[in-house]
Amino acid sequence: DAKTTQPPSMDCAEGRAANLPCNHSTISGNEYVYWYRQIHSQGPQYIIHGLKNNETNEMASLIITEDRKSSTLILPHATLRDTAVYYCIARPDTPLVFGKGTRLSVIA
Amino acid sequence: GAVVSQHPSRVICKSGTSVKIECRSLDFQATTMFWYRQFPKQSLMLMATSNEGSKATYEQGVEKDKFLINHASLTLSTLTVTSAHPEDSSFYICSAPPGSGTETQYFGPGTRLLVL
Repeated sequence: DAKTTQPPSMDCAEGRAANLPCNHSTISGNEYVYWYRQIHSQGPQYIIHGLKNNETNEMASLIITEDRKSSTLILPHATLRDTAVYYCIARPDTPLVFGKGTRLSVIA
Repeated sequence: GAVVSQHPSRVICKSGTSVKIECRSLDFQATTMFWYRQFPKQSLMLMATSNEGSKATYEQGVEKDKFLINHASLTLSTLTVTSAHPEDSSFYICSAPPGSGTETQYFGPGTRLLVL
């Protein structure tokens, strides 16, 4: 599995876009980039995943660089409910293996 | 999206007793389910893969005789913590992919186990 590197913590003002970076410089061609988040004392929640192209859904956008060595998860209008630990995972298939993630704090 | 449930959500037990945790896929069939454990302020750690109709496969360092896994049907996997000790106190989370290949995993809400 490709090792991923994320900042341990980030703050974001409520209503602003939250941009969470992830470095996966050793990613292989068949490894997808997955993003999950975990709100305190809950199970992880799927956000989005992609292989090469940028992806968007109702929750977020995923921007993957052309060389696939890094990606950014964008929450376009962060709310207090988006406060959570966000995990970036590069993996060809299940099961997912979690790193330490980024603790995002959305501040009013 | 696909829904995974767990029962119970919280359990407190005495040291030396066994505790069973159920994981159900509510709107899809899961030939494979995964069990994770999470200690406070740490990330999720994969414990084992539960396979319907066959033996579970365990990650290195996880005792298969202590953490018994039974995947009796396409919608139910159970994890039994046998002879629980206080160090087994943790947050146990199950997960299942709704399909094969590159499908995402859906996670249950977790079960918090406290062993006294």
